[in-house]
Amino acid sequence: EPEVTQTPSHQVTQMGQEVILRCVPISNHLYFYWYRQILGQKVEFLVSFYNNEISEKSEIFDDQFSVERPDGSNFTLKIRSTKLEDSAMYFCASSAERGPPYEQYFGPGTRLTVT
Amino acid sequence: AQTVTQSQPEMSVQEAETVTLSCTYDTSENNYYLFWYKQPPSRQMILVIRQEAYKQQNATENRFSVNFQKAAKSFSLKISDSQLGDTAMYFCAFYNNNDMRFGAGTRLTVKP
Repeated sequence: EPEVTQTPSHQVTQMGQEVILRCVPISNHLYFYWYRQILGQKVEFLVSFYNNEISEKSEIFDDQFSVERPDGSNFTLKIRSTKLEDSAMYFCASSAERGPPYEQYFGPGTRLTVT
Repeated sequence: AQTVTQSQPEMSVQEAETVTLSCTYDTSENNYYLFWYKQPPSRQMILVIRQEAYKQQNATENRFSVNFQKAAKSFSLKISDSQLGDTAMYFCAFYNNNDMRFGAGTRLTVKP
């Protein structure tokens, strides 16, 4: 069964550094998403992406964040200058169509630790 | 804005027994979707079951079923014949117009 993959599984970075989280969505999917889960808290929507542009973004997704689809397979989330509060699990998801009944498939997540 | 509330931070159940996880939500929309996601220790989010708001019939997937009460804005998950592999965090989620909102989660432990 096709799956969403994410690298790295764990990223440690120092405050103020830039970090790029990588995702490979399912190959025939067109809609891509990033979510964040601070340890022990709920999953929060960050951004959705379609046709090489952002479709929706939450209030969390400020100017420190950006997303890109640099080639035909990768989908990246960049945090320009990391803060301690950016420490979280970041999930990528993809779907074939915009909404249900087309399921969003989630990747295993990247744990980001900012020290 | 839509909100999703899971009032049970933790629950436990004996293997083979039945457990119900609660979820309520708040919305002014009439058409939307509701989901339960499972997050095992591996942390991969896995879709367990989905419910379309326009369907009155409760969704069922093998041992998992929901009790969808649209007027009460309630969407509980029932797990029958609980198995050790059901141990995980369970998140209730609401979807409408490309906006997905998750509850805070319920940590379920299945005891042998």
